[in-house]
Amino acid sequence: QKEVEQDPGPLSVPEGAIVSLNCTYSNSAFQYFMWYRQYSRKGPELLMYTYSSGNKEDGRFTAQVDKSSKYISLFIRDSQPSDSATYLCAMSAGTDKLIFGTGTRLQVFP
Amino acid sequence: NAGVMQNPRHLVRRRGQEARLRCSPMKGHSHVYWYRQLPEEGLKFMVYLQKENIIDESGMPKERFSAEFPKEGPSILRIQQVVRGDSAAYFCASSATENTEAFFGQGTRLTVV
Repeated sequence: QKEVEQDPGPLSVPEGAIVSLNCTYSNSAFQYFMWYRQYSRKGPELLMYTYSSGNKEDGRFTAQVDKSSKYISLFIRDSQPSDSATYLCAMSAGTDKLIFGTGTRLQVFP
Repeated sequence: NAGVMQNPRHLVRRRGQEARLRCSPMKGHSHVYWYRQLPEEGLKFMVYLQKENIIDESGMPKERFSAEFPKEGPSILRIQQVVRGDSAAYFCASSATENTEAFFGQGTRLTVV
């Protein structure tokens, strides 16, 4: 079993839709949770960084962490074609390395 | 403020040659991480370095791979005697301290022919 599970998609939605992206994990030691966006042949771009459980909002993006269920989510409101990318969840136990999911490919069509 | 700089962006090596990948962290960052990404896979941790020290190399293959982060200059990931299976995108990230945001470079795409 992988430490972090993420549905690879692709997820295809119309412009303006609310997108929900999710990851589950097995290591209860994870405390730091991140979402990265990666365009084709580019480096990952940090979108959200949260510590422990709870919600965090930044513009059209909302990150949720439920440590009791070992489940994290990223919501994108009013999705745009420019949001089409691969979204990677990542987490850390607070030592050094990040453990990544395999990424969900999102396509937002006009 | 320049981001994490990696070079070269693309590198082609023949089997058996050496590959040297460079990473300059963001200004003020002293923690550097290297990750490898294979097609259709997530990023896999390789090594974590601070200036002049390797902190965690648990993700590095035991042979042919080495990394350094000298007091002066960029961090270097070195792959000796490359094989076709080393073909991948190699990403470097940096952070100011532990447990703070890690920012990634644009990667070096290594192709072994």
